[in-house]
Amino acid sequence: GNSVTQMEGPVTLSEEAFLTINCTYTATGYPSLFWYVQYPGEGLQLLLKATKADDKGSNKGFEATYRKETTSFHLEKGSVQVSDSAVYFCALSGNDMRFGAGTRLTVKP
Amino acid sequence: DAGVTQSPTHLIKTRGQQVTLRCSPKSGHDTVSWYQQALGQGPQFIFQYYEEEERQRGNFPDRFSGHQFPNYSSELNVNALLLGDSALYLCASSASGQYSNQPQHFGDGTRLSIL
Repeated sequence: GNSVTQMEGPVTLSEEAFLTINCTYTATGYPSLFWYVQYPGEGLQLLLKATKADDKGSNKGFEATYRKETTSFHLEKGSVQVSDSAVYFCALSGNDMRFGAGTRLTVKP
Repeated sequence: DAGVTQSPTHLIKTRGQQVTLRCSPKSGHDTVSWYQQALGQGPQFIFQYYEEEERQRGNFPDRFSGHQFPNYSSELNVNALLLGDSALYLCASSASGQYSNQPQHFGDGTRLSIL
C-alpha cells in the first residue's frame, strides 16, 4: 500500500540556517504530495502541495519538488526563522491520506 | 468564514465507556475525514464520509464508527474505550467529492484521554 517515510527528528537549527527535511514515498498510481505544519496545540495546516511529477510547491519561503524518479518530496527553506519552529508532516493522497511520522523543527535565535 | 470546528476540545473517559466526537466542516466542503494522532506520531486515517456514507476506511476496528449528516457535519463514535485510544482526534474536510487529491483542511482536534 501507499506509505510515506520521513526524516526523523528532532532538527535544531540557528536562525537563518538552511533547512532540508527529507521525505520519500511508496505509491501506486499518481498521488498528490503535501507538506503540512502543526504548531503546538493546533491541527495541521497545509504548507504546500504538488499534484504531478516535476511540480514545485512553494509557500512562505518553503519549497518542495515532486520527484517521481527518486520518489521524493523533500522540504527546503533557505533561511529559517524562530517562528518556523513546529512539527512538519509529509503526506500522500491516493484514496486516503497517508502521513509521515513528523519532524520536529526547533529554530534558535 | 469559519474553518473546520471540532467539539469538545478535551475529553476524559474511563475504560469501557463510549464517546462521541463532533465535527463541522469548512463552509463549502462536503467530505469529512477522521484521523487519530497518537503523541509524537503522524495522523492515522480512520475513515472518510461523503454523501452520508463511509467511503474509505483505514485499519481501525469496528469499535470506531461514524456518521455524516445532511448538512455535512460528522460524528466519530468509539465504543468500549481502551487505554490505547488516548490520542488527538482530528477532523479534516475537503470540497473534493469522490477520490480526489484535493488538500484537506484540519480542525484543531479533540484531545481524548482514557483513564
